[in-house]
Amino acid sequence: AQSVTQLGSHVSVSEGALVLLRCNYSSSVPPYLFWYVQYPNQGLQLLLKYTSAATLVKGINGFEAEFKKSETSFHLTKPSAHMSDAAEYFCAVKGGGSQGNLIFGKGTKLSVKP
Amino acid sequence: EAQVTQNPRYLITVTGKKLTVTCSQNMNHEYMSWYRQDPGLGLRQIYYSMNVEVTDKGDVPEGYKVSRKEKRNFPLILESPSPNQTSLYFCASSPDRVGNTEAFFGQGTRLTVV
Repeated sequence: AQSVTQLGSHVSVSEGALVLLRCNYSSSVPPYLFWYVQYPNQGLQLLLKYTSAATLVKGINGFEAEFKKSETSFHLTKPSAHMSDAAEYFCAVKGGGSQGNLIFGKGTKLSVKP
Repeated sequence: EAQVTQNPRYLITVTGKKLTVTCSQNMNHEYMSWYRQDPGLGLRQIYYSMNVEVTDKGDVPEGYKVSRKEKRNFPLILESPSPNQTSLYFCASSPDRVGNTEAFFGQGTRLTVV
Protein backbone atom coordinates (compact mmCIF):
# COMPACT_ATOMS: atom_id res chain seq x y z
CA ALA A 1 0.00 0.00 0.00
CA GLN A 2 1.13 3.51 -0.74
CA SER A 3 2.11 5.88 2.05
CA VAL A 4 3.86 9.20 2.55
CA THR A 5 6.03 10.43 5.41
CA GLN A 6 6.85 14.08 5.87
CA LEU A 7 9.75 14.72 8.21
CA GLY A 8 9.18 17.69 10.47
CA SER A 9 5.75 19.02 11.31
CA HIS A 10 7.17 22.54 11.65
CA VAL A 11 10.02 24.17 9.75
CA SER A 12 11.20 27.71 10.35
CA VAL A 13 13.54 29.61 8.04
CA SER A 14 14.67 33.19 7.65
CA GLU A 15 13.58 35.25 4.70
CA GLY A 16 16.04 34.64 1.86
CA ALA A 17 17.19 31.28 3.20
CA LEU A 18 16.85 27.92 1.51
CA VAL A 19 13.60 26.06 2.04
CA LEU A 20 13.80 22.26 2.25
CA LEU A 21 10.72 20.22 3.07
CA ARG A 22 11.20 16.47 3.18
CA CYS A 23 8.92 13.80 1.80
CA ASN A 24 9.52 10.05 1.58
CA TYR A 25 7.08 7.72 -0.05
CA SER A 26 6.32 4.02 -0.08
CA SER A 27 4.82 2.53 -3.18
CA SER A 28 4.82 -0.87 -4.80
CA VAL A 29 4.33 0.64 -8.23
CA PRO A 30 5.85 3.69 -9.96
CA PRO A 31 4.41 6.52 -7.90
CA TYR A 32 2.46 9.57 -8.92
CA LEU A 33 3.61 12.26 -6.48
CA PHE A 34 2.30 15.71 -5.69
CA TRP A 35 3.05 18.69 -3.49
CA TYR A 36 0.15 20.88 -2.39
CA VAL A 37 0.22 24.13 -0.42
CA GLN A 38 -2.46 25.36 1.95
CA TYR A 39 -2.49 29.03 2.89
CA PRO A 40 -4.44 30.03 6.02
CA ASN A 41 -8.19 29.64 5.58
CA GLN A 42 -7.74 28.40 2.02
CA GLY A 43 -8.12 25.17 0.14
CA LEU A 44 -5.21 23.17 -1.22
CA GLN A 45 -3.40 24.40 -4.30
CA LEU A 46 -1.15 22.26 -6.47
CA LEU A 47 2.51 23.31 -6.35
CA LEU A 48 3.90 20.62 -8.62
CA LYS A 49 3.58 16.99 -9.61
CA TYR A 50 5.91 14.23 -10.71
CA THR A 51 5.10 13.03 -14.20
CA SER A 52 8.05 10.63 -14.77
CA ALA A 53 9.21 12.80 -17.68
CA ALA A 54 11.97 14.36 -15.59
CA THR A 55 13.29 13.76 -12.10
CA LEU A 56 13.57 17.48 -11.34
CA VAL A 57 10.14 19.05 -11.37
CA LYS A 58 9.56 22.78 -11.40
CA GLY A 59 6.43 24.20 -9.87
CA ILE A 60 4.83 27.51 -9.14
CA ASN A 61 6.25 30.29 -6.97
CA GLY A 62 9.84 29.15 -7.49
CA PHE A 63 9.45 25.74 -5.87
CA GLU A 64 10.92 22.56 -7.27
CA ALA A 65 11.19 18.94 -6.21
CA GLU A 66 13.53 16.15 -7.13
CA PHE A 67 12.35 12.56 -7.49
CA LYS A 68 14.96 10.11 -6.22
CA LYS A 69 13.87 6.53 -6.70
CA SER A 70 16.87 5.06 -4.85
CA GLU A 71 15.98 7.11 -1.76
CA THR A 72 12.19 6.95 -2.27
CA SER A 73 12.16 10.69 -1.76
CA PHE A 74 10.48 13.70 -3.32
CA HIS A 75 11.80 16.65 -1.32
CA LEU A 76 10.53 20.18 -1.99
CA THR A 77 12.98 23.06 -2.21
CA LYS A 78 13.07 26.78 -2.88
CA PRO A 79 16.39 28.66 -3.04
CA SER A 80 15.20 31.80 -1.28
CA ALA A 81 12.25 31.95 1.09
CA HIS A 82 9.76 34.79 0.97
CA MET A 83 7.37 35.87 3.70
CA SER A 84 4.48 34.89 1.45
CA ASP A 85 5.68 31.25 1.48
CA ALA A 86 4.45 30.80 5.04
CA ALA A 87 1.85 28.06 4.75
CA GLU A 88 1.30 24.36 5.31
CA TYR A 89 2.71 22.00 2.71
CA PHE A 90 1.45 18.52 1.94
CA CYS A 91 3.14 15.76 0.01
CA ALA A 92 0.79 13.20 -1.51
CA VAL A 93 0.93 10.00 -3.54
CA LYS A 94 -1.86 8.69 -5.73
CA GLY A 95 -3.40 5.57 -4.29
CA GLY A 96 -3.57 2.41 -6.32
CA GLY A 97 -6.55 0.36 -7.40
CA SER A 98 -9.94 1.78 -8.25
CA GLN A 99 -10.15 4.25 -5.37
CA GLY A 100 -7.96 6.83 -7.05
CA ASN A 101 -7.49 8.79 -3.86
CA LEU A 102 -4.61 11.00 -2.83
CA ILE A 103 -2.75 9.69 0.20
CA PHE A 104 -1.40 12.66 2.09
CA GLY A 105 1.42 13.12 4.51
CA LYS A 106 0.66 14.83 7.78
CA GLY A 107 1.86 18.17 6.51
CA THR A 108 4.71 20.55 7.30
CA LYS A 109 3.98 24.05 8.50
CA LEU A 110 6.54 26.50 7.15
CA SER A 111 7.25 29.71 9.05
CA VAL A 112 9.36 32.48 7.52
CA LYS A 113 11.09 34.93 9.84
CA PRO A 114 11.91 38.45 8.68
CA GLU B 1 -13.15 30.60 -13.65
CA ALA B 2 -12.55 26.90 -12.97
CA GLN B 3 -13.43 26.16 -9.40
CA VAL B 4 -14.84 23.88 -6.76
CA THR B 5 -17.37 25.63 -4.53
CA GLN B 6 -18.32 24.41 -1.09
CA ASN B 7 -21.00 25.75 1.21
CA PRO B 8 -21.13 26.68 3.95
CA ARG B 9 -17.57 27.72 4.87
CA TYR B 10 -18.27 27.54 8.57
CA LEU B 11 -20.90 25.56 10.43
CA ILE B 12 -21.63 24.98 14.10
CA THR B 13 -24.29 22.42 14.87
CA VAL B 14 -25.53 20.21 17.67
CA THR B 15 -25.16 16.48 18.04
CA GLY B 16 -27.74 14.55 16.04
CA LYS B 17 -29.00 17.37 13.84
CA LYS B 18 -28.78 16.33 10.20
CA LEU B 19 -26.73 18.56 7.93
CA THR B 20 -25.59 18.74 4.33
CA VAL B 21 -22.45 20.34 2.95
CA THR B 22 -22.76 21.15 -0.72
CA CYS B 23 -20.04 20.86 -3.34
CA SER B 24 -20.20 21.95 -6.96
CA GLN B 25 -17.57 21.99 -9.71
CA ASN B 26 -17.71 23.73 -13.09
CA MET B 27 -14.98 21.79 -14.89
CA ASN B 28 -17.06 18.83 -16.09
CA HIS B 29 -14.89 16.51 -14.02
CA GLU B 30 -15.92 12.90 -13.64
CA TYR B 31 -14.15 12.15 -10.37
CA MET B 32 -15.12 13.87 -7.12
CA SER B 33 -14.29 13.13 -3.52
CA TRP B 34 -14.54 14.36 0.04
CA TYR B 35 -11.67 14.59 2.50
CA ARG B 36 -11.46 15.51 6.13
CA GLN B 37 -8.42 17.24 7.58
CA ASP B 38 -7.47 16.78 11.21
CA PRO B 39 -4.39 18.18 12.97
CA GLY B 40 -1.47 15.80 12.79
CA LEU B 41 -3.33 13.41 10.48
CA GLY B 42 -3.26 15.20 7.15
CA LEU B 43 -6.20 14.65 4.82
CA ARG B 44 -8.13 11.40 4.61
CA GLN B 45 -10.66 10.46 1.98
CA ILE B 46 -14.24 9.95 3.15
CA TYR B 47 -16.13 9.05 -0.04
CA TYR B 48 -15.53 9.28 -3.74
CA SER B 49 -17.50 9.18 -6.95
CA MET B 50 -16.24 8.11 -10.36
CA ASN B 51 -19.31 9.42 -12.18
CA VAL B 52 -23.01 10.11 -11.87
CA GLU B 53 -24.72 7.54 -9.63
CA VAL B 54 -21.38 5.84 -8.92
CA THR B 55 -20.10 6.36 -5.37
CA ASP B 56 -17.95 4.34 -3.01
CA LYS B 57 -16.42 4.45 0.44
CA GLY B 58 -13.04 5.98 1.02
CA ASP B 59 -10.84 5.42 4.05
CA VAL B 60 -13.04 6.97 6.76
CA PRO B 61 -16.69 6.67 5.62
CA GLU B 62 -18.42 5.94 8.95
CA GLY B 63 -21.11 8.48 9.79
CA TYR B 64 -21.25 10.02 6.32
CA LYS B 65 -23.35 9.68 3.18
CA VAL B 66 -22.98 11.12 -0.29
CA SER B 67 -24.95 11.26 -3.50
CA ARG B 68 -24.09 12.06 -7.13
CA LYS B 69 -27.27 12.77 -9.04
CA GLU B 70 -25.64 15.31 -11.34
CA LYS B 71 -22.10 15.45 -12.61
CA ARG B 72 -21.33 18.82 -11.09
CA ASN B 73 -22.69 18.26 -7.56
CA PHE B 74 -21.48 15.98 -4.80
CA PRO B 75 -23.06 16.79 -1.43
CA LEU B 76 -21.80 15.35 1.85
CA ILE B 77 -24.51 14.35 4.32
CA LEU B 78 -24.14 13.83 8.04
CA GLU B 79 -27.41 12.26 9.16
CA SER B 80 -26.59 12.29 12.88
CA PRO B 81 -23.44 14.32 13.50
CA SER B 82 -21.30 13.57 16.53
CA PRO B 83 -18.49 15.61 18.13
CA ASN B 84 -15.82 13.35 16.59
CA GLN B 85 -16.92 14.65 13.21
CA THR B 86 -15.70 18.12 14.13
CA SER B 87 -13.16 18.72 11.40
CA LEU B 88 -12.19 20.67 8.30
CA TYR B 89 -13.78 19.20 5.19
CA PHE B 90 -12.64 19.55 1.60
CA CYS B 91 -14.34 18.61 -1.61
CA ALA B 92 -12.10 17.83 -4.57
CA SER B 93 -12.59 17.07 -8.25
CA SER B 94 -10.38 15.82 -11.07
CA PRO B 95 -10.89 14.77 -14.68
CA ASP B 96 -10.47 11.13 -13.72
CA ARG B 97 -9.02 8.97 -10.98
CA VAL B 98 -5.95 7.62 -12.72
CA GLY B 99 -2.38 8.67 -13.12
CA ASN B 100 -1.07 12.09 -12.27
CA THR B 101 -4.20 14.09 -12.98
CA GLU B 102 -4.43 17.06 -10.66
CA ALA B 103 -7.13 17.32 -8.00
CA PHE B 104 -8.80 20.71 -7.55
CA PHE B 105 -9.93 21.52 -4.02
CA GLY B 106 -12.69 23.67 -2.63
CA GLN B 107 -12.07 26.31 0.04
CA GLY B 108 -13.06 24.00 2.85
CA THR B 109 -15.88 23.77 5.38
CA ARG B 110 -15.02 24.04 9.04
CA LEU B 111 -17.58 22.01 10.98
CA THR B 112 -18.00 22.07 14.73
CA VAL B 113 -20.38 19.60 16.37
CA VAL B 114 -21.24 20.40 19.99
